[in-house]
Amino acid sequence: GQQVMQIPQYQHVQEGEDFTTYCNSSTTLSNIQWYKQRPGGHPVFLIQLVKSGEVKKQKRLTFQFGEAKKNSSLHITATQTTDVGTYFCAGRNYGQNFVFGPGTRLSVLP
Amino acid sequence: DAGVIQSPRHEVTEMGQEVTLRCKPISGHDYLFWYRQTMMRGLELLIYFNNNVPIDDSGMPEDRFSAKMPNASFSTLKIQPSEPRDSAVYFCASSPTGQVGHQPQHFGDGTRLSIL
Repeated sequence: GQQVMQIPQYQHVQEGEDFTTYCNSSTTLSNIQWYKQRPGGHPVFLIQLVKSGEVKKQKRLTFQFGEAKKNSSLHITATQTTDVGTYFCAGRNYGQNFVFGPGTRLSVLP
Repeated sequence: DAGVIQSPRHEVTEMGQEVTLRCKPISGHDYLFWYRQTMMRGLELLIYFNNNVPIDDSGMPEDRFSAKMPNASFSTLKIQPSEPRDSAVYFCASSPTGQVGHQPQHFGDGTRLSIL
């Protein structure tokens, strides 16, 4: 079945440092979504990417969809303590299966 | 606007008891999803409905779990009998019309379930 993996599993950074999480799928995806879950909270939708090679930005966050539509990345520039949480990618393949990745937990040290 | 509403927020019960989790999706959303989240297994999709009809229940762990959606504004997830390994946070999410996975999912605050 479809598998979506994310690396790293955990990341600790100093406030102000950059952070990147990578999402890899075993199958080609029709689209990919990114969610953020704060500690004790629920996943919150951040963005969706649909096109091959697509890049979208939200302030300090940059999202990228790979050319082959099998991988994606989320990059945060100059992390802040408000960026703390777990970042999930979620992908849908052309067989209409929708799967969440295991997430990357980000800690930001002040 | 009201988001997805789940109840109860917390549930502690003894093994063998029946547990019922409730969800009210966002009005007008056609899709409703039930997820289970644990440290070991992450966020797992249990079942989802489209227009109140169950579409994919392949994630339901076993026959002890059942879900219903009697109308567009209400869904339940029932565990009977409950076991300690069912302890987890259960999320309900809804999304608007469109292909599943092509619309943002809006999650409720979750139910933190502890089975003793």
